[in-house]
Amino acid sequence: GQNIDQPTEMTATEGAIVQINCTYQTSGFNGLFWYQQHAGEAPTFLSYNVLDGLEEKGRFSSFLSRSKGYSYLLLKELQMKDSASYLCAVRDSNYQLIWGAGTKLIIKP
Amino acid sequence: IAGITQAPTSQILAAGRRMTLRCTQDMRHNAMYWYRQDLGLGLRLIHYSNTAGTTGKGEVPDGYSVSRANTDDFPLTLASAVPSQTSVYFCASSGQGDTGELFFGEGSRLTVL
Repeated sequence: GQNIDQPTEMTATEGAIVQINCTYQTSGFNGLFWYQQHAGEAPTFLSYNVLDGLEEKGRFSSFLSRSKGYSYLLLKELQMKDSASYLCAVRDSNYQLIWGAGTKLIIKP
Repeated sequence: IAGITQAPTSQILAAGRRMTLRCTQDMRHNAMYWYRQDLGLGLRLIHYSNTAGTTGKGEVPDGYSVSRANTDDFPLTLASAVPSQTSVYFCASSGQGDTGELFFGEGSRLTVL
């Protein structure tokens, strides 16, 4: 079966760096997405990786290793507003998105 | 303001009642989706539509139906609601851009008693 694994919850300190990991086993691969979802709100797109390597976008970076079925989202200079759930999703060979359950990130002052 | 609009934002419904969740987008996206989100689970696809006039079943389609009469609208109907359909429902759309990322509506919180 298809599966996306990510930690349920993480805690980090304001101003620090945090890395959220995502491992996947899917039928084919056509890209990996990270979304941010604040409590009670809709998910919003953060990043997309289809080739191996690091994609940087401001304070956020996302890394992909297709051979290892692994990605991480790196958040730098954490701010209180970064408290949210972070969803990892993989697009499979049928171009359907397979979603992880999300990682709830708690930022402490 | 461009985007996706869902209605209602919240609804309490008696079991056995019929309910339609509305979804409208003004981005001219071909593909639209309905997901449900439950605590501890990832987003689960209910139904999708790749283009107006076509629909397909997702991971959890039972008890739900959809229609896609035009590009903008993609309503989700629960013919006879059951308590297990208590959830937050998100409508989403995607265009033909480089990534094909999803744009989500604000969600509809449905409680079936």
